[in-house]
Amino acid sequence: AQKVTQAQTEISVVEKEDVTLDCVYETRDTTYYLFWYKQPPSGELVFLIRRNSFDEQNEISGRYSWNFQKSTSSFNFTITASQVVDSAVYFCALKEGGGSNYKLTFGKGTLLTVNP
Amino acid sequence: GAGVSQSPSNKVTEKGKDVELRCDPISGHTALYWYRQSLGQGLEFLIYFQGNSAPDKSGLPSDRFSAERTGGSVSTLTIQRTQQEDSAVYLCASSLAVGTGGIYEQYFGPGTRLTVT
Repeated sequence: AQKVTQAQTEISVVEKEDVTLDCVYETRDTTYYLFWYKQPPSGELVFLIRRNSFDEQNEISGRYSWNFQKSTSSFNFTITASQVVDSAVYFCALKEGGGSNYKLTFGKGTLLTVNP
Repeated sequence: GAGVSQSPSNKVTEKGKDVELRCDPISGHTALYWYRQSLGQGLEFLIYFQGNSAPDKSGLPSDRFSAERTGGSVSTLTIQRTQQEDSAVYLCASSLAVGTGGIYEQYFGPGTRLTVT
């Protein structure tokens, strides 16, 4: 069965610090997709990134970067030079492959607080 | 363009009453999903629609929960005889489609916070 573990329940940093949010997943499928979503205090989940299991290239988008390592079943998310606006709950999610599989399995989320 | 909208944003109801939660997906999105977010359980998948049909209802927690979608657009999640454990945020998401080899991001609405007293 698929599972996503975000071991860090809460992280608190000071502005401008770098912070890494961990995500470890379990799946028996060889084809799968991984996601990160951000949930700010307003409550709406905001899509950040999707990676498929065939593409292990790391990705950078501005201050955000993602490190996908199949060998350790991890898909970690790093925010560089954090800002107060980055404060939110961040969710990692997994979708197993196959056209008929539609369900996202989410981790429990990591609450990131960036203090000024 | 407009995102996923949900109504009401907040709902307080008495135990035993029925409630209806509404979701308006992004225009053109044929797939629609309901999730529940509660403190103890995190984000749980409830049900998914492709068009007006719901191929898999196994995520619904009990037979008090039902959902329908009409016209391939608006969806309603109904909870009958609400219980206190139903208190949660109910999130709706939509995506372009789900198909063989297809993978489309799910875009979420702001949620409906349900409180059962």
